[in-house]
Amino acid sequence: DAKTTQPPSMDCAEGRAANLPCNHSTISGNEYVYWYRQIHSQGPQYIIHGLKNNETNEMASLIITEDRKSSTLILPHATLRDTAVYYCIVRPPFGNEKLTFGTGTRLTIIP
Amino acid sequence: DAGVIQSPRHEVTEMGQEVTLRCKLISGHNSLFWYRQTMMRGLELLIYFNNNVPIDDSGMPEDRFSAKMPNASFSTLKIQPSEPRDSAVYFCASTPYYGYTFGSGTRLTVV
Repeated sequence: DAKTTQPPSMDCAEGRAANLPCNHSTISGNEYVYWYRQIHSQGPQYIIHGLKNNETNEMASLIITEDRKSSTLILPHATLRDTAVYYCIVRPPFGNEKLTFGTGTRLTIIP
Repeated sequence: DAGVIQSPRHEVTEMGQEVTLRCKLISGHNSLFWYRQTMMRGLELLIYFNNNVPIDDSGMPEDRFSAKMPNASFSTLKIQPSEPRDSAVYFCASTPYYGYTFGSGTRLTVV
């Protein structure tokens, strides 16, 4: 799987948009970008994934650059419950393939 | 759907004892993954199964660890004999294609 680079930590004010960047310059043409988050002492939670088009669901938006070398996860109106470690992962589309987690970004929402 | 169910939630055992962790998959999911999380090493994939067949067990630390999937909905991870360095949170996850669903984890402490 391609390697990803994320900042180790970020802060965001409650109610503001949280923008979490991820670099994946070695991504292959068939690899998807996945985002998961892990709230303290819970199992990781799937957020969103995409290939090359921007994606949006009820949790977040995913913006992937045209060259696919980087992406941004956007939480439009961050709440205190969004405080978590966010993982950006790239992997082939085959659903039964393993996920390899890096160190992620620890996002802290400030009241 | 109750999600992925792990038991027990917490386990404290003495060094040398056998430990069995259990995981019930979501109905219809055909892939099962076992992860271990520690502060030092983060989230590590131990083993995963597709359609009850072990596909990759390269993450299993040593012969003391074994995993089985006797049917499509249930898996066990066994450590025999357990050692203090096995203390960690163990997660299982299942997926039908994309978007893994993780259980709440088993916190294992070996004293």
